[in-house]
Amino acid sequence: GDSVTQMEGPVTLSEEAFLTINCTYTATGYPSLFWYVQYPGEGLQLLLKATKADDKGSNKGFEATYRKETTSFHLEKGSVQVSDSAVYFCALRDPGGSYIPTFGRGTSLIVHP
Amino acid sequence: EAEVAQSPRYKITEKSQAVAFWCDPISGHATLYWYRQILGQGPELLVQFQDESVVDDSQLPKDRFSAERLKGVDSTLKIQPAELGDSAMYLCASSGRQGNEQFFGPGTRLTVL
Repeated sequence: GDSVTQMEGPVTLSEEAFLTINCTYTATGYPSLFWYVQYPGEGLQLLLKATKADDKGSNKGFEATYRKETTSFHLEKGSVQVSDSAVYFCALRDPGGSYIPTFGRGTSLIVHP
Repeated sequence: EAEVAQSPRYKITEKSQAVAFWCDPISGHATLYWYRQILGQGPELLVQFQDESVVDDSQLPKDRFSAERLKGVDSTLKIQPAELGDSAMYLCASSGRQGNEQFFGPGTRLTVL
């Protein structure tokens, strides 16, 4: 079945550092790929998405590129802020199936001033 | 901005007791989802409603969990009796009829003692 694997956290960075959170997936078809963010005490929010190979999703300085050849969708940001501290979830959705995403386990990001 | 509402935000109960969670989706959203998020993991779907009908409850432990959406608007998820392993965050989400994007509520954090 479909699955998503994320790098384990926590990822601890200083403010203005470069961020990469790795995500790889396994799917039978051509899924849509997503990054969600969960701030402390809140629900998940969609951060960005990509629906086909080589698409780049971007939002709030974050970006991720759909790499079909490596089945990856790594999240990057050039300069993190303390306010980016949260848990980040990579997810996929099979376009041929239901609208239910398959989520990774989440990666906690802690940004220090 | 419209949001998914959930209550209570936190619930502590003893095992074998009954608990209930409430969700009010974004107005006009036909599809409602209940997820369970165990600490350190991604959300997993428990039940999906389309209007008042259950579309998918294959992962709902029906011996103790029940969910209803009688008028196709707000929804209640019940656990009776609660077990220690039910301690988790329970997330509600809603989407329009096309299901392209799910909007999540803040969740109810359940602790079973």
